[in-house]
Amino acid sequence: GNSVTQMEGPVTLSEEAFLTINCTYTATGYPSLFWYVQYPGEGLQLLLKATKADDKGSNKGFEATYRKETTSFHLEKGSVQVSDSAVYFCALISGGSNYKLTFGKGTLLTVNP
Amino acid sequence: NAGVMQNPRHLVRRRGQEARLRCSPMKGHSHVYWYRQLPEEGLKFMVYLQKENIIDESGMPKERFSAEFPKEGPSILRIQQVVRGDSAAYFCASSRILESSSGNTIYFGEGSWLTVV
Repeated sequence: GNSVTQMEGPVTLSEEAFLTINCTYTATGYPSLFWYVQYPGEGLQLLLKATKADDKGSNKGFEATYRKETTSFHLEKGSVQVSDSAVYFCALISGGSNYKLTFGKGTLLTVNP
Repeated sequence: NAGVMQNPRHLVRRRGQEARLRCSPMKGHSHVYWYRQLPEEGLKFMVYLQKENIIDESGMPKERFSAEFPKEGPSILRIQQVVRGDSAAYFCASSRILESSSGNTIYFGEGSWLTVV
């Protein structure tokens, strides 16, 4: 079956620090990969996605590259801001159901000024 | 331009009571999904509904849980005779017609937190 393993949190950084949140997956077929973000008091929002190997998804300064050889989709940002404090979820869709997302457990990021 | 609306945001029930969680999809969306997040776990798919139809309930527990999405009104996730293990965050999502390999057209609500005491 499908599964997603992401770095356990919480992660605490100072403003302008470099961020990496690791995500690896197991999937049948060729999955599409996603990062979702949940800001305090809000619903999950799609942050970025990649649908095939070597694709790079990017949004709001965040990037993640679909690495088929290492089955990974690590989230990175060069310089975090206080407003990036949120819970980040790695997820995938695979196996023919284009609506059934498989999520990781989420990583809480806190950025201090 | 309201997003996916869930209520209540927080619900406390005693063991054996019923819990009803409501979800109003985004305007123009006819597909609704429910996910559950147990403590220390990721969100897990429960059920996929269209108006008056259950399309996929492969993630629903076999007993006590039911979901509906009537022609009029919100989608309801109903949990009968709740137990402590039902304590979790329940997320609703909605979409229009899905494209292949979607995720970007599935919009999530803020979640409903159920606590069973």
